[in-house]
Amino acid sequence: DSGVTQTPKHLITATGQRVTLRCSPRSGDLSVYWYQQSLDQGLQFLIQYYNGEERAKGNILERFSAQQFPDLHSELNLSSLELGDSALYFCASSVDLPGELFFGEGSRLTVL
Amino acid sequence: AQTVTQSQPEMSVQEAETVTLSCTYDTSESDYYLFWYKQPPSRQMILVIRQEAYKQQNATENRFSVNFQKAAKSFSLKISDSQLGDAAMYFCAYRSAYGGGRGADGLTFGKGTHLIIQP
Repeated sequence: DSGVTQTPKHLITATGQRVTLRCSPRSGDLSVYWYQQSLDQGLQFLIQYYNGEERAKGNILERFSAQQFPDLHSELNLSSLELGDSALYFCASSVDLPGELFFGEGSRLTVL
Repeated sequence: AQTVTQSQPEMSVQEAETVTLSCTYDTSESDYYLFWYKQPPSRQMILVIRQEAYKQQNATENRFSVNFQKAAKSFSLKISDSQLGDAAMYFCAYRSAYGGGRGADGLTFGKGTHLIIQP
């Protein structure tokens, strides 16, 4: 158990819909990262938050947004969903530096 | 920007044998961290081993060891006495040591190597 909790584990929805994925980081970790893993794109960095503020953006679409709340949990919002958004979405957390990232079990999103 | 390359999409090894997974990376930074993560069919990302760039000694964790060649920007993973439970996708990853507001300090991943263990 990494200590990072993600919900829901599985989600099936239709094109055009909106979903929210939730992540609770390890106790004490201030940084939260979101990654998207699809079959053809590998693990792609989406966005990072540190102590409530956005630190960096990666390959995140404009239809996607995220935030980190005062209690440090984070949510990733995906809207106007398309078939190509079907993927495994990972949340990870870490202390600022150094060291490894600790990953949640992922949220499997299927868009039909 | 840093890049990580894993040139072996798939590797196969007999149980109890040794296998080496390759990884090369490109960076202009002098201080960084390198990792191998394992992703079994359960999809959980599990840290296998880590290496700090400033350390010359290669990291080892039980049956797992690395060959870190900083000048060559190479970071291979050796798995000894392969077991059926080692079957998984293995990802090499890079993390800059210069985070703290200078941009993303998360991981840059390679595309992975699918390791098959033959019984």
